[in-house]
Amino acid sequence: LAKTTQPISMDSYEGQEVNITCSHNNIATNDYITWYQQFPSQGPRFIIQGYKTKVTNEVASLFIPADRKSSTLSLPRVSLSDTAVYYCLVGDLSGSFNKFYFGSGTKLNVKP
Amino acid sequence: NAGVTQTPKFQVLKTGQSMTLQCAQDMNHNSMYWYRQDPGMGLRLIYYSASEGTTDKGEVPNGYNVSRLNKREFSLRLESAAPSQTSVYFCASSPQGSSYNEQFFGPGTRLTVL
Repeated sequence: LAKTTQPISMDSYEGQEVNITCSHNNIATNDYITWYQQFPSQGPRFIIQGYKTKVTNEVASLFIPADRKSSTLSLPRVSLSDTAVYYCLVGDLSGSFNKFYFGSGTKLNVKP
Repeated sequence: NAGVTQTPKFQVLKTGQSMTLQCAQDMNHNSMYWYRQDPGMGLRLIYYSASEGTTDKGEVPNGYNVSRLNKREFSLRLESAAPSQTSVYFCASSPQGSSYNEQFFGPGTRLTVL
């Protein structure tokens, strides 16, 4: 399974766009990139997933360059409620069962 | 739908005691997982069940056993609890064959072993 590297923590202010980058140099051809969000005392929550180029949903955007060795989660106009830990996962979705490993994540602190 | 439910929410054990953490999902998912999360750390996969009737080890299976009782329920057992097993335990489930591996997590069980 591809190992991921993320910054341990980031600070931002309300209303700013936040970009969290994840490195996955050993990503395999069949691997997808998935991001989860975790609030204190709660289980993680799926945010977004992609394979290449750009994926956007109502919560975030995911940018994946052509070499796929990194990815960037973009959160537009963050608010205090976006303070959480964000996990980048890489894993194979080609089989009938999929297992992912969580790293340590990036703790995002949004300030007023 | 309740999603993924876990019982108990909190538990305190003495070293050497045993207990079973219960997990159930009502989303008709095939795959279920048990994770542990130590303070300030990410989640580590203990065991998983790809489908009813199958279980496999994850990253940190030592000291644990699991049972996939039926499609809905996946339990985690500590036969002889140790202080190193003090952690928050999360159960999760995911649909099989989905184009998105979205895992749905329960609220967690906070376990303290004295």
